[in-house]
Amino acid sequence: QKEVEQDPGPLSVPEGAIVSLNCTYSNSAFQYFMWYRQYSRKGPELLMYTYSSGNKEDGRFTAQVDKSSKYISLFIRDSQPSDSATYLCAMSGDYKLSFGAGTTVTVRA
Amino acid sequence: GAGVSQSPSNKVTEKGKDVELRCDPISGHTALYWYRQSLGQGLEFLIYFQGNSAPDKSGLPSDRFSAERTGGSVSTLTIQRTQQEDSAVYLCASSSTGWPNYGYTFGSGTRLTVV
Repeated sequence: QKEVEQDPGPLSVPEGAIVSLNCTYSNSAFQYFMWYRQYSRKGPELLMYTYSSGNKEDGRFTAQVDKSSKYISLFIRDSQPSDSATYLCAMSGDYKLSFGAGTTVTVRA
Repeated sequence: GAGVSQSPSNKVTEKGKDVELRCDPISGHTALYWYRQSLGQGLEFLIYFQGNSAPDKSGLPSDRFSAERTGGSVSTLTIQRTQQEDSAVYLCASSSTGWPNYGYTFGSGTRLTVV
């Protein structure tokens, strides 16, 4: 079993829809939770960062962490075609990040 | 520099040849990481540098892989006697601190193809 599980999709939604992404993990030591966005042939770009459990909102993006369930989510409201990318969850208990496999999202105009 | 710079962006090499991949981290970032991303796979940790030291090399797949960092800045990942399974995107990242980890800044990667 992988340390971080993420459904690879692909996920296709119409413009304006809410995109819901999630990951589960097994390592209780993880305290720092991140979401990265990766466009084709580019490096991952840090989108959201959350420490421990709770919610964090940044514009159209909301990240949620439930440590009791070992489950994290990312919601994208009012999705745009420019949101089409691969979204990677990542988490850490120390200096090293463990990544999910990434979910490929396409927002249709 | 403004971001993490990696070179070359693409590299095609013949099986059995050695390759060197270069990473220029963000100026002042003490922590540097190498990851590998294979098609359809997540990012696989290779090695972590703090300054010029590598306290964690646990992700290097075999003794054909080595890495060094000089002057607390540029890092080189070397793959000797390349194999087809080494084909992947090699990503370098840096951060201002190794711990706690607030997330890295990644370069665009080197796409390695072994033929």
